[in-house]
Amino acid sequence: DGGITQSPKYLFRKEGQNVTLSCEQNLNHDAMYWYRQDPGQGLRLIYYSQIVNDFQKGDIAEGYSVSREKKESFPLTVTSAQKNPTAFYLCASSMYTGELFFGEGSRLTVL
Amino acid sequence: AQSVTQLGSHVSVSEGALVLLRCNYSSSVPPYLFWYVQYPNQGLQLLLKYTTGATLVKGINGFEAEFKKSETSFHLTKPSAHMSDAAEYFCAVRQSNFGNEKLTFGTGTRLTIIP
Repeated sequence: DGGITQSPKYLFRKEGQNVTLSCEQNLNHDAMYWYRQDPGQGLRLIYYSQIVNDFQKGDIAEGYSVSREKKESFPLTVTSAQKNPTAFYLCASSMYTGELFFGEGSRLTVL
Repeated sequence: AQSVTQLGSHVSVSEGALVLLRCNYSSSVPPYLFWYVQYPNQGLQLLLKYTTGATLVKGINGFEAEFKKSETSFHLTKPSAHMSDAAEYFCAVRQSNFGNEKLTFGTGTRLTIIP
């Protein structure tokens, strides 16, 4: 079935370590997004990409990095520069019709 | 610029009662509007969307929403609440001009259903 796959679902990291979250889609969507979700704050946009080999910063890009080498893949790296990385991370994709299709999310906990 | 305000971070209704979740938006161009639902530890699922045309939009699970331009609102309703409706609901706005595909989300409303 078509959809968005995020992995891992749960991830633990020690302070000072980088970690990469995977996001793969087989919907043939051009645009992909990463959101961060914290209780009571809704979803905040980290990075988005509207085409391969191009991406833009969202509202809270500091401490994160992305790449878009393939249409299907948009991995997110949470670097040691991210001061408060514990959160629920959601990947999404869309066509130009506007609505987003979401993955099941990855929960990152820093120990 | 675009923004979304959801009034009430928590809403409780009795099973069988009307559900009303409020959403107001701001947008410098005609908006596209969305409601999503999220169950614990899961991604978001689209309930309904408004792009153009009819202002009363019907979605899945018996939900509907009405776009009111004069009030800049897009409230979500369901005539009779069911226990399975307990979840968090997010309103989102996107500007309709080409090249701007970012969605801006509200902070969410957690819906509790009282048996």
